[in-house]
Amino acid sequence: AQSVTQLDSQVPVFEEAPVELRCNYSSSVSVYLFWYVQYPNQGLQLLLKYLSGSTLVKGINGFEAEFNKSQTSFHLRKPSVHISDTAEYFCAVTRTVSNAGKSTFGDGTTLTVKP
Amino acid sequence: GAVVSQHPSRVICKSGTSVKIECRSLDFQATTMFWYRQFPKQSLMLMATSNEGSKATYEQGVEKDKFLINHASLTLSTLTVTSAHPEDSSFYICSVPDDTQYFGPGTRLTVL
Repeated sequence: AQSVTQLDSQVPVFEEAPVELRCNYSSSVSVYLFWYVQYPNQGLQLLLKYLSGSTLVKGINGFEAEFNKSQTSFHLRKPSVHISDTAEYFCAVTRTVSNAGKSTFGDGTTLTVKP
Repeated sequence: GAVVSQHPSRVICKSGTSVKIECRSLDFQATTMFWYRQFPKQSLMLMATSNEGSKATYEQGVEKDKFLINHASLTLSTLTVTSAHPEDSSFYICSVPDDTQYFGPGTRLTVL
């Protein structure tokens, strides 16, 4: 079984400041990692994913994440946030890509960008 | 990636009635779809796996007789909440797995 811990439930930040949303996972087998964003009353949208290869993954909207196997982490970063980045962010892990639906989600981090 | 729609986007019903929620994969043939529920300020909880042409697979603790799932075609899965009660009020989201998951926009169910 795998588990996901998002270390911060809420992250307030000022506009144009950098931000990091932290995600740690545990699993007895190799996993694939995902970050999703959810705007109010909407479904989830994929920000980025790590399947293999380079540990630094770039996604949409200027976000990037780094897979650190030794620390079992997959932190999400953005160098300069906008008001429109205010949303809920979920980290997820899954054992195989073909079984991507069987993901385990973290509890979410609420990112609030203030002017 | 797959484009997924859900209908209705929100529904309000009286306690004891049944509500059907549709999940459609608009451009991708989905032999599998997933149904989640999400309570306010909480994460997604996988309820069941919808399998085209066969019975759904329910996660532990999910009542299969209460949450009826039908996956009659490669583009449509339905979730019927039977005899709904206020505690069933939630945000229901479906997804289509491909290289990743593609989520529908969700259905807000409120049971009075």
